[in-house]
Amino acid sequence: DIQMTQSPSSLSASVGDRVTITCRASQGISNYLAWYQQKPGKVPELLIYAASTLQSGVPSRFSGSGSGTDFTLTISSLQPEDVATYYCQRYSSAPLTFGGGTKVEIK
Amino acid sequence: QLQLQESGPGLVKPSETLSLTCTVSGGSISSSSYYWGWIRQPPGKGLEWIGSIYYSGSTYYNPSLKSRVTISVDTSKNQFSLKLSSVTAADTAVYYCARPISGWYNPFDYWGQGTLVTVSS
Repeated sequence: DIQMTQSPSSLSASVGDRVTITCRASQGISNYLAWYQQKPGKVPELLIYAASTLQSGVPSRFSGSGSGTDFTLTISSLQPEDVATYYCQRYSSAPLTFGGGTKVEIK
Repeated sequence: QLQLQESGPGLVKPSETLSLTCTVSGGSISSSSYYWGWIRQPPGKGLEWIGSIYYSGSTYYNPSLKSRVTISVDTSKNQFSLKLSSVTAADTAVYYCARPISGWYNPFDYWGQGTLVTVSS
């Protein structure tokens, strides 16, 4: 199976900071990569798919990039409501697999 | 607006079978080309895809769970179901049903609220 590794596992940043989360696939997955946001006690919400396509309704401060094995999720200006755990997910083939998550907190 | 709702027992004994149903409203489970999925999340841990089903009954399962998982669909009730046999404490998790943005190999954009299933005697 293709493994997805996220880093860091957690981070703390100030409001307004630029935040970058990385996701690495153990094999190339083209751009079949999605990002989810899961706020505490809530259901995961799709933020980005096809590595860089913003899901409808998602604020433009979120962006995604990458292809092949290395991907990034960037929050251009961290807001208090962005406190959450972020997961990457590959969907190039079965089994669908998720990264371990990155917990984002406000400093 | 599409809505998904999981239902089933919140407590299952070890070695027994976990059974959950996902009821879809606001859309027909058989009118579009989606593979409806089950995902789980142990308390404090990450997400794990369990499997997916098409309205025709075609299924894909996670190999790590395949020997214990059965997913079925009832189009007359607009529902699909999950059965996980021989459960242990490691199967304690929030179980979500979800729909991908389209087709099969795609991320999930509609999720149920999730239901916590605890495996304990």
